[in-house]
Amino acid sequence: IAGITQAPTSQILAAGRRMTLRCTQDMRHNAMYWYRQDLGLGLRLIHYSNTAGTTGKGEVPDGYSVSRANTDDFPLTLASAVPSQTSVYFCASSEQANQPQHFGDGTRLSIL
Amino acid sequence: GDSVTQMEGPVTLSEEACLTINCTYTATGYPSLFWYVQYPGEGLQLLLKATKADDKGSNKGFEATYRKETTSFHLEKGSVQVSDSAVYFCALSDRNNAGNMLTFGGGTRLMVKP
Repeated sequence: IAGITQAPTSQILAAGRRMTLRCTQDMRHNAMYWYRQDLGLGLRLIHYSNTAGTTGKGEVPDGYSVSRANTDDFPLTLASAVPSQTSVYFCASSEQANQPQHFGDGTRLSIL
Repeated sequence: GDSVTQMEGPVTLSEEACLTINCTYTATGYPSLFWYVQYPGEGLQLLLKATKADDKGSNKGFEATYRKETTSFHLEKGSVQVSDSAVYFCALSDRNNAGNMLTFGGGTRLMVKP
């Protein structure tokens, strides 16, 4: 079934450790996004990529980095995790920017 | 900047009751408006959308009308079911925004009791 795959499903991580959240889509969508979801705050955009080879900063980019080496993959890296990065992370994609987005099932990350 | 405000939940209704979830927005450009639904343990799914003023989006018995004069996009359903229990997010996408990002409201949890 076509869609977005995120891994891992959940992770507990010690503060200061490096972590990469994986996201892969098989719909050949040009645009991809990373959001974090926190209670009462809805979803906030971390980084986005309108097409392979390009990335941009969203609303809350600090402490995170992304790369877009090809169309299908859009990994999100926390270089040195902090407890405030405890959240549920959603990857999304859309055929083109400004079109409806399709979401993965999320990664629940806890930083201790 | 762009923002979306939706009513706080949880909203608790009995089956077959009428539903309205209010959503208002502010945007600098000409946004498209969306409602997304999130079922427990899952990601968000697009429920409906409207791309210009006076458009009505509809899906699965839900509908919402893009009201530019009141900057609103309220979600309505005439008769809810237990299976509609979920969190609903109003969102906008502003063409003038270089990132074309979605701006989300805080979400409204709906609980429908049999």
